[in-house]
Amino acid sequence: GEDVEQSLFLSVREGDSSVINCTYTDSSSTYLYWYKQEPGAGLQLLTYIFSNMDMKQDQRLTVLLNKKDKHLSLRIADTQTGDSAIYFCAESIGNQFYFGTGTSLTVIP
Amino acid sequence: DTEVTQTPKHLVMGMTNKKSLKCEQHMGHRAMYWYKQKAKKPPELMFVYSYEKLSINESVPSRFSPECPNSSLLNLHLHALQPEDSALYLCASSQEIHREQYFGPGTRLTVT
Repeated sequence: GEDVEQSLFLSVREGDSSVINCTYTDSSSTYLYWYKQEPGAGLQLLTYIFSNMDMKQDQRLTVLLNKKDKHLSLRIADTQTGDSAIYFCAESIGNQFYFGTGTSLTVIP
Repeated sequence: DTEVTQTPKHLVMGMTNKKSLKCEQHMGHRAMYWYKQKAKKPPELMFVYSYEKLSINESVPSRFSPECPNSSLLNLHLHALQPEDSALYLCASSQEIHREQYFGPGTRLTVT
């Protein structure tokens, strides 16, 4: 449960879709989460998905969960400059909570 | 209201000082957390309180001392810190332990 991996960097053009990926090793996750952190700020909970779901959509955000491959993704439609931030995935397993390594998203105007 | 507040926003302290960080939430959450975060790294869990009792202490040095006076408040008392303790200290709360956590804005701590 402690190995939650993400790509370090992602750059997209404004208006394009962004896809941020996350892989985890423990299949007994209960919930999986996506957080956004802007420079100098705390973490903002964006969305979460229960482990028995495979998709969740919330406005511009779509979360996909592939339990077989232990792969979680966050798609941001129509990416804006305000979406530039570090994105962390996280999983909860019982009483434990594990963050991914974080992906720095840069949106190019 | 999904707000967690933290004070102070910034803190500079010497290695011999004693200071405290404060965290407050009014969402009725029963679990509260302290994290330490270095630049561009994920938060590292320090302490977890569940129903005002210390539930998890992740082998944190004794120069960090948590306190939970009531279900809405969480303090972190600091004493004899080292320069490597400089970091962003984040407080979070959740309805129950390790459900979705809501974070405060953090306290930027610099130890000189």
